[in-house]
Amino acid sequence: AQSVTQPDIHITVSEGASLELRCNYSYGATPYLFWYVQSPGQGLQLLLKYFSGDTLVQGIKGFEAEFKRSQSSFNLRKPSVHWSDAAEYFCAVGERDQGAQKLVFGQGTRLTINP
Amino acid sequence: GAVVSQHPSRVICKSGTSVKIECRSLDFQATTMFWYRQFPKKSLMLMATSNEGSKATYEQGVEKDKFLINHASLTLSTLTVTSAHPEDSSFYICSAPGTGYFEQYFGPGTRLTVT
Repeated sequence: AQSVTQPDIHITVSEGASLELRCNYSYGATPYLFWYVQSPGQGLQLLLKYFSGDTLVQGIKGFEAEFKRSQSSFNLRKPSVHWSDAAEYFCAVGERDQGAQKLVFGQGTRLTINP
Repeated sequence: GAVVSQHPSRVICKSGTSVKIECRSLDFQATTMFWYRQFPKKSLMLMATSNEGSKATYEQGVEKDKFLINHASLTLSTLTVTSAHPEDSSFYICSAPGTGYFEQYFGPGTRLTVT
């Protein structure tokens, strides 16, 4: 079974500072990787995804992520955070199971923004 | 974009009673839907996959008799927590698959508190 690890439970950054959220996965082949954001009262929203090709992927809201096979990582980055970026962030990997396309999520990282 | 709704958003029930949570795809049809459970500061754990017209597929360790799942139509899936106990208190999230690889649209979640 595949797994995803997000080493940081909680991160605090100042508004305008850069951000990097870590994600490591366990999978033998090329994984399907995702980053989602969860805000209170809203469903999980897809920020970006990686399937193949260019290892640096651009997403919505100014986020990007880089797939590094050698490190089994898919870290999320943003050059300058905004107060509205405060939320819970989840990394996920796609897993096929008996014909169903399922998602396996990491533990999540809660992002707090200092004014 | 595709919208998934859940009702209710919050529910409080007494121990021993049953509670039903609805998940609807508002502008598209879904032959399958996923049900997740999210503990505080924890990841989303897939509980089961509901299938329109057939039995749900439960993940290992999930009690089928405790968590009854029904997929009544192409736009509605329900999760019934039977004989609820305080340890069933949690945040329950549903999702419906889209057309892309591992694409899922998430509902906003239902907070269940069992007293």
